[in-house]
Amino acid sequence: DTAVSQTPKYLVTQMGNDKSIKCEQNLGHDTMYWYKQDSKKFLKIMFSYNNKELIINETVPNRFSPKSPDKAHLNLHINSLELGDSAVYFCASSRPGVPYEQYFGPGTRLTVT
Amino acid sequence: QKEVEQDPGPLSVPEGAIVSLNCTYSNSAFQYFMWYRQYSRKGPELLMYTYSSGNKEDGRFTAQVDKSSKYISLFIRDSQPSDSATYLCAMSDPSGGYNKLIFGAGTRLAVHP
Repeated sequence: DTAVSQTPKYLVTQMGNDKSIKCEQNLGHDTMYWYKQDSKKFLKIMFSYNNKELIINETVPNRFSPKSPDKAHLNLHINSLELGDSAVYFCASSRPGVPYEQYFGPGTRLTVT
Repeated sequence: QKEVEQDPGPLSVPEGAIVSLNCTYSNSAFQYFMWYRQYSRKGPELLMYTYSSGNKEDGRFTAQVDKSSKYISLFIRDSQPSDSATYLCAMSDPSGGYNKLIFGAGTRLAVHP
């Protein structure tokens, strides 16, 4: 009964490939997020969706495209992967009225070679 | 200057010590202040949040916010080896509808028996 789950947990791929990461939450939350944690452990928001609507879109290369098929799922597709995309990507979610109380998934460790 | 500054440590203390972790910030509009704990290769876990200035206590953990100084602290009493983790402060940016969290770099804490 994992609250926020991500697949895959590890992803190793070559430069130039396209890959997707999936996230699902069973908490009944209405807002979901993607964060990137770089090698220095710095955590930075990338995107946020509220009820399938994009509400936060930080300065992220347009090779990154989030998609939310419903409010329990948020996927991240990355085109033409680059070495600098190597990081841990975290999905998070929050419930209505309490956006600052965010619950994180276990992370997807992406390595681009 | 980063919006949120946090000393990355590492901080090493003996079991039973009182630990003090701190962050400073520059944006006086921040109202919600969070502390997350992140174990190695895991997702951040919300420990507690505080609204505006004041103290909040939860078991061995106490969070303090001093908005006049733009300074927040997390105190851990009777520290245990299981407290060894990275502690991240985060602040909710009202310009993003409070959905956007700005994280500090994290302080790595080691509690040795």
